[in-house]
Amino acid sequence: ETGVTQTPRHLVMGMTNKKSLKCEQHLGHNAMYWYKQSAKKPLELMFVYNFKEQTENNSVPSRFSPECPNSSHLFLHLHTLQPEDSALYLCASSQEGNIGLNSPLHFGNGTRLTVT
Amino acid sequence: QKEVEQNSGPLSVPEGAIASLNCTYSDRGSQSFFWYRQYSGKSPELIMFIYSNGDKEDGRFTAQLNKASQYVSLLIRDSQPSDSATYLCAVNSDSGYSTLTFGKGTMLLVSP
Repeated sequence: ETGVTQTPRHLVMGMTNKKSLKCEQHLGHNAMYWYKQSAKKPLELMFVYNFKEQTENNSVPSRFSPECPNSSHLFLHLHTLQPEDSALYLCASSQEGNIGLNSPLHFGNGTRLTVT
Repeated sequence: QKEVEQNSGPLSVPEGAIASLNCTYSDRGSQSFFWYRQYSGKSPELIMFIYSNGDKEDGRFTAQLNKASQYVSLLIRDSQPSDSATYLCAVNSDSGYSTLTFGKGTMLLVSP
């Protein structure tokens, strides 16, 4: 496998459920990201991990809990979500935490989450 | 708050025409500028980046940057129906470790 792989592709969960999104990158990158994409809104950065250390948390509610056990894997643990959390959740990676010419952002295919 | 603005569209052009997509940004300290293409139901894919004032050409795509006007654009020559997608403008933001700020995207429709 190559690139950034996310599972599951689709997820429907109730407000009281606990679920996890998984992301794996095979690019040898050192930085990984969670983005949220809602209709009619820009991509929103949620979390950044650089060399497994969380370097940014954009005021995300505690019902979203990230985990980065190593530079290749990233999880997003979900619990007691709200219907407005329904969105496309995108994982991305880059060579280093400084995104630019030599370290562009590569996205996975996303998990389409529906909270009922 | 750092912002990136794009017209949501849709921008409709006939096949073979030039499509012009525009983007403005608020942070004067931004250094790198990216254009991503996102097909419906798919993830964004990087198609162009630019970091110096002027034009950068890659095949049918030309990115234009004017830092003084805080403006970046993407031109698509000889537009094809397969170019129909949403185009996201993204700007490098420096927050220690840099991150990207995205616009809402412009939907492009190329009719045969």
